[in-house]
Amino acid sequence: DGGITQSPKYLFRKEGQNVTLSCEQNLNHDAMYWYRQDPGQGLRLIYYSQIVNDFQKGDIAEGYSVSREKKESFPLTVTSAQKNPTAFYLCASRTTTGWRETQYFGPGTRLLVL
Amino acid sequence: DQQVKQNSPSLSVQEGRISILNCDYTNSMFDYFLWYKKYPAEGPTFLISISSIKDKNEDGRFTVFLNKSAKHLSLHIVPSQPGDSAVYFCAASPALIQGAQKLVFGQGTRLTINP
Repeated sequence: DGGITQSPKYLFRKEGQNVTLSCEQNLNHDAMYWYRQDPGQGLRLIYYSQIVNDFQKGDIAEGYSVSREKKESFPLTVTSAQKNPTAFYLCASRTTTGWRETQYFGPGTRLLVL
Repeated sequence: DQQVKQNSPSLSVQEGRISILNCDYTNSMFDYFLWYKKYPAEGPTFLISISSIKDKNEDGRFTVFLNKSAKHLSLHIVPSQPGDSAVYFCAASPALIQGAQKLVFGQGTRLTINP
């Protein structure tokens, strides 16, 4: 079964702690994305990667870091510099069929601050 | 600056009737539009998309209409079913720039289908 997996489902962060959210896909997609969703708001782009060993900042990259060492994996680290990390984090990957470019999402990780 | 707006935070529709969700955008560079459906604590699920070269795209119960001059798109669901109750997001993308597709999302509309 192909798809996108995110782990853990829930994550708790203490003050001053860095935490890493996992995102894995076996869809053979080149492009991967991280979004953040806050209550009553749309999804906001944190980082994206078009290819292995390359990634770009999105609209709200401050306090976050990523790596793309393998095509299948795009982990997101929420650093202590992110002052308001409580949110629902979504990972996506992109496929292209003709003119159609569609992003498919994982199930999400909810991050809570203790 | 909200480039994609869904002005109705919520919508309530009777089962079997038509649901119409609206979305407005301001950036004339957007040329590809998508609708996603999201249940609580889950990732969004892709529903349907439309390119700016079309004004309508249909897939089963779902139809998306695009009015480029008004910078407006809408999603029609007919007939509405209880399982359609969810939050719906519209998203827009400009033409691909160096292979990157950066989607801009609206705030979402919560659709409730009443029995």
